[in-house]
Amino acid sequence: NAGVTQTPKFRVLKTGQSMTLLCAQDMNHEYMYWYRQDPGMGLRLIHYSVGEGTTAKGEVPDGYNVSRLKKQNFLLGLESAAPSQTSVYFCASSYSDSYNEQFFGPGTRLTVL
Amino acid sequence: EDQVTQSPEALRLQEGESSSLNCSYTVSGLRGLFWYRQDPGKGPEFLFTLYSAGEEKEKERLKATLTKKESFLHITAPKPEDSATYLCAARRVPGTYKYIFGTGTRLKVLA
Repeated sequence: NAGVTQTPKFRVLKTGQSMTLLCAQDMNHEYMYWYRQDPGMGLRLIHYSVGEGTTAKGEVPDGYNVSRLKKQNFLLGLESAAPSQTSVYFCASSYSDSYNEQFFGPGTRLTVL
Repeated sequence: EDQVTQSPEALRLQEGESSSLNCSYTVSGLRGLFWYRQDPGKGPEFLFTLYSAGEEKEKERLKATLTKKESFLHITAPKPEDSATYLCAARRVPGTYKYIFGTGTRLKVLA
C-alpha cells in the first residue's frame, strides 16, 4: 500500500499561472481533503469530498477549485496563482464518518513568485 | 469562535526527561480530539483519537488524555527519535467535516 501520494513534491509558479495538484489514495477511503499549512498557523481546510463526484468548500476555498471524478483521486486546481498561495499543501483521506482519523500525504511545497 | 490552542510552542527535553504537551480547545459539539505527529518535510501521522472526557490512550512512550476543556500528550522517558512537531485537532459536531488544527508543539529531545 502506498497510502496517500501527492504530485508534484515541489513547484514554482509565476503570478497568474495555473496548475493542478494531484492526490491519490489506495485505501478505498470515501473522504478526501485538501489543506494548506503556513508558518504560525494550523492546517486549514481548503476543500473536501465525501465521495466520488462530490466536493464542498472548507475554511479557505477562494482561489482554488477541486474535482473528484474517481474515488481514489482528488485534484486541487489553482486557476490564477497569487503569492498568497505560497504554502505547503497536504492531501488527506479518511475511511468514513465513524472512523475519521485522517491519513496525510507527504505534501507539495508551492512557491508563487 | 471555535479554537484550538497548543502550548508550549517549542519544548527541549533531555533524553529520559518526561513532560506534557497541552491542547486547549473551545469547540461546540466536540466529535473527537486528534493527535498527530509531524516530522520535518512530511505529512502529519495519526497517533490518537479521544472522544470523551476521562478517556486515555497509550502508544509506547506517549499517553493522551482528555478533559472537557483540554487534552494532554504525556511523553514518558523520551528518546531523540520522539523529536517532531505534535499537532492536535478538534472535530466539530456530526455533519460538518471541519477539523480545527492547533499550530503544534515542536519537541526536541537531546541525547
